[in-house]
Amino acid sequence: GENVEQHPSTLSVQEGDSAVIKCTYSDSASNYFPWYKQELGKGPQLIIDIRSNVGEKKDQRIAVTLNKTAKHFSLHITETQPEDSAVYFCAASKNTGNQFYFGTGTSLTVIP
Amino acid sequence: GAVVSQHPSRVICKSGTSVKIECRSLDFQATTMFWYRQFPKKSLMLMATSNEGSKATYEQGVEKDKFLINHASLTLSTLTVTSAHPEDSSFYICSARGAGGRTDTQYFGPGTRLTVL
Repeated sequence: GENVEQHPSTLSVQEGDSAVIKCTYSDSASNYFPWYKQELGKGPQLIIDIRSNVGEKKDQRIAVTLNKTAKHFSLHITETQPEDSAVYFCAASKNTGNQFYFGTGTSLTVIP
Repeated sequence: GAVVSQHPSRVICKSGTSVKIECRSLDFQATTMFWYRQFPKKSLMLMATSNEGSKATYEQGVEKDKFLINHASLTLSTLTVTSAHPEDSSFYICSARGAGGRTDTQYFGPGTRLTVL
């Protein structure tokens, strides 16, 4: 089955700096990779996703890159703000609608 | 778009009672809904997958007689924790996958905090 690893588990950055979170996956058949942001006591919120036919996707301050050969994908947040502080989860799945395999989460703290 | 609600947001019950949690997709039809359990500072653990009109598929180690799932319509799924015990205390989150448009991703509800005394 699929195994998704996520690093780092915790990350602290100064406001305005960039943050990078990395995930690796094991199943080369995985073709969909979403990222979720979870604030304390709330459900995960989809912030960006990427499919295997694309190498990079950007949405304002957030970007995701995918390296299919190396089987890893990364979340990049630029110009971080205190409200970016949350737990971020990556996930991988294959084919539409199938089970998501989640990473273990990264707790991001943006220091004002 | 793609809003999923859960009710209640918080529930406290006595040991031995049953608790029902509702998950609704508010602005899209969800052919598939997922139920997760999350422990403090941990990742999401998939409990079961439910498709509208059919029986839920439970993950290994999840007792189907204890965690009853009903997906009665394209906008509603319920999770009933039967004969709850303190070890069932947790954060339960549902997600829904759309029937049209964005069919590949899951949209999550806000979660339900269950505390069993």
